[in-house]
Amino acid sequence: DIQLTQTPSFLSASVGDRVTITCRASQGIGSYLAWYQQKPGKVPKFLIYDASTLQSGVPSRFSGSGSGTEFTLTISSLQHEDFATYYCQQLYSYPRTFGQGTKVEIK
Amino acid sequence: EVQLVESGGGLVQPGGSLRLSCTASGFVFGNHWMNWVRQAPGKGLDWVAIIKHDGSEKYYVDSVKGRFTISRDNANNSLFLQMNSLRAEDTAVYYCVREVYGGFDFWGQGTLVSASS
Repeated sequence: DIQLTQTPSFLSASVGDRVTITCRASQGIGSYLAWYQQKPGKVPKFLIYDASTLQSGVPSRFSGSGSGTEFTLTISSLQHEDFATYYCQQLYSYPRTFGQGTKVEIK
Repeated sequence: EVQLVESGGGLVQPGGSLRLSCTASGFVFGNHWMNWVRQAPGKGLDWVAIIKHDGSEKYYVDSVKGRFTISRDNANNSLFLQMNSLRAEDTAVYYCVREVYGGFDFWGQGTLVSASS
C-alpha cells in the first residue's frame, strides 16, 4: 500500500501568512494526488486534483504542485475561512490512501 | 442539486453486523464510481471501499477485506455497505462519497457506527 506522510501535522499561522503543507508518498504516484479541506463538524471539501488543478470555485490563493513522491499545497495569503484541517489523497492505486492531515490554526 | 444521504448506522456489539445505505439524487448515479470513507472520532480520513459504476469491480482496504461488502443498485440510486464481524476499531462516521476524475467531489453527511459492548 502507498503511504502518504504530511508535514507538518499542526501549523499555527496568522491571517495573511503564506502557508505550505507537504505530502510525501512512499512510492511514485505520478500526479495522481488530490487535496481536501475539512472544517470542524463539516464534510471534506475537494480542493485540488492532478496535484495542481483547482476544483471549480476554489479561490486562487490555493495552489498545488509536485509529482512523483513529493507534493505541496500552498495558501498564498491565509484567510479566516482557511483555518481547517487539510488532507492529501493518492488516486494512483488501491487502497486510495489519505495523509494523516495537517491542522491549520490561528496564531 | 447533488445529494447523498446515508442511513443504517447505530450501536452494535463487537462481532455484530450492520448494513449501511446511501441514497443518491441530483445526478446520474449509474455513471459514477462510488466510495465509502470513514472517520473515527477526532481522527483522520480512512478510505474503506470503492465500487465501479456498473458494480463489476470492487476494492477494499485490507483491514475490512472479508468482513465488509460494498454493493449498489443503480435502478434505485443506492449504495450499500454490509459490515460483518464488527470490531471496536470500526467505530467511525461512515461517508458515502462520489468519485469524479481526480478525486471525491461530493460527500454525504455521514452515519455513525459504534461497535461497543
